[in-house]
Amino acid sequence: ETVLTQSPATLSLSPGDRATLSCRASESVNTYLAWYQQKPGQAPRLLIYDASNRAPGIPARFSGSGSGTDFTLTISSLEPEDFAVYYCHQRSRRLIFTFGPGTRVDF
Amino acid sequence: QVQLQESGPGLVKPSETLSLTCVVSGDSIDSYYWSWIRQSPGQGLEWIGYVSNSGTTNYNPSLKSRVTISADTSKNHLSLKMSSVTTADTAVYFCARMLVVDAFDVWGQGTIVSVSS
Repeated sequence: ETVLTQSPATLSLSPGDRATLSCRASESVNTYLAWYQQKPGQAPRLLIYDASNRAPGIPARFSGSGSGTDFTLTISSLEPEDFAVYYCHQRSRRLIFTFGPGTRVDF
Repeated sequence: QVQLQESGPGLVKPSETLSLTCVVSGDSIDSYYWSWIRQSPGQGLEWIGYVSNSGTTNYNPSLKSRVTISADTSKNHLSLKMSSVTTADTAVYFCARMLVVDAFDVWGQGTIVSVSS
């Protein structure tokens, strides 16, 4: 099973700051990596799929990069509504899916 | 606009079988793959399994022996059955549509399941 590690666990920033979140896989996942945002009491929301493709309706301040084992989610300038927990997620060749433990972005 | 709505008993006794339903509106379930995902209180996300648009299934190896996912195209809904539940199965259960089998692009609001005697 591919294990995802996210860092940092918590990121303390202010509106307008740039946020850089990391996700590392225990083995190569090619570009089968997605990012989600979750706010309290809500379902996760897909932000990025296939490492760098923004999902429909996602603002341009969200971008994803990486391939193989190392991936990054960047929020270019934090808006107040961006303070949330962010999860990365991968699918393996056998179509088994795992999530990372999450990074909390707060202020 | 596609919408997903989960429903279930809310409370299940240990050793019993959990049964949940996800009604899909605004889309046909035979056009996509669909997954169940859960989140234990204060914890992260765990993928349970999926059913494809042709009815094939695939499950998380850690849950495979206890889980069955199915799709009813006549009712346009999905089902999840999990047997022999324990308190560790207490969680919010989500159903989700799968985008190009790589990500989950539409989610239901989730349904809370507590396992307790």
